[in-house]
Amino acid sequence: DTEVTQTPKHLVMGMTNKKSLKCEQHMGHRAMYWYKQKAKKPPELMFVYSYEKLSINESVPSRFSPECPNSSLLNLHLHALQPEDSALYLCASSQGLAGGPGEQFFGPGTRLTVL
Amino acid sequence: AQRVTQPEKLLSVFKGAPVELKCNYSYSGSPELFWYVQYSRQRLQLLLRHISRESIKGFTADLNKGETSFHLKKPFAQEEDSAMYYCALSGGGAQKLVFGQGTRLTINP
Repeated sequence: DTEVTQTPKHLVMGMTNKKSLKCEQHMGHRAMYWYKQKAKKPPELMFVYSYEKLSINESVPSRFSPECPNSSLLNLHLHALQPEDSALYLCASSQGLAGGPGEQFFGPGTRLTVL
Repeated sequence: AQRVTQPEKLLSVFKGAPVELKCNYSYSGSPELFWYVQYSRQRLQLLLRHISRESIKGFTADLNKGETSFHLKKPFAQEEDSAMYYCALSGGGAQKLVFGQGTRLTINP
């Protein structure tokens, strides 16, 4: 399996809801990433997990909480979001070798709308 | 600080014409540069990276450290090249990519 999968494809939530985004890969990659992409903008890095440990947090608000239960799974827990958090959330993975990210493989994204 | 600049938001050329998408970067060390592409209704995917020095789908890109550039070129554009192109940089061995703002390329028949 050479794809990164993300669920759900679409999510609508209120500002008081708690929801989670899920990402999965079975390529044996040891680095996994969350990005946020607003319309007509490039992806913005949120978090990086390397060997299941959080290695980079790009000053993301605490209403976003990442979790890496094992080397194949990455979750993003959402709580008390704001309407401006509406965006496409992309997951990616890479081999995670020393020396840089190398090629990142992206999932199709979860389109999040916060009402 | 790491920064990637793609000066053209939109680029339109005719089929068969040469195409060049510009990318300039700012980084004090030795960067690794990438071009990612997103075709309509498809996921973001790697097109090429400077260390592999290969041609993918007829595209090439050369890292020019003197001019801090990594322009993407193709001698004869095809309609299927229409897509969003992002230049990206990684530096210092960090597991992190910084993307440029992207260039939307349209190939006219």
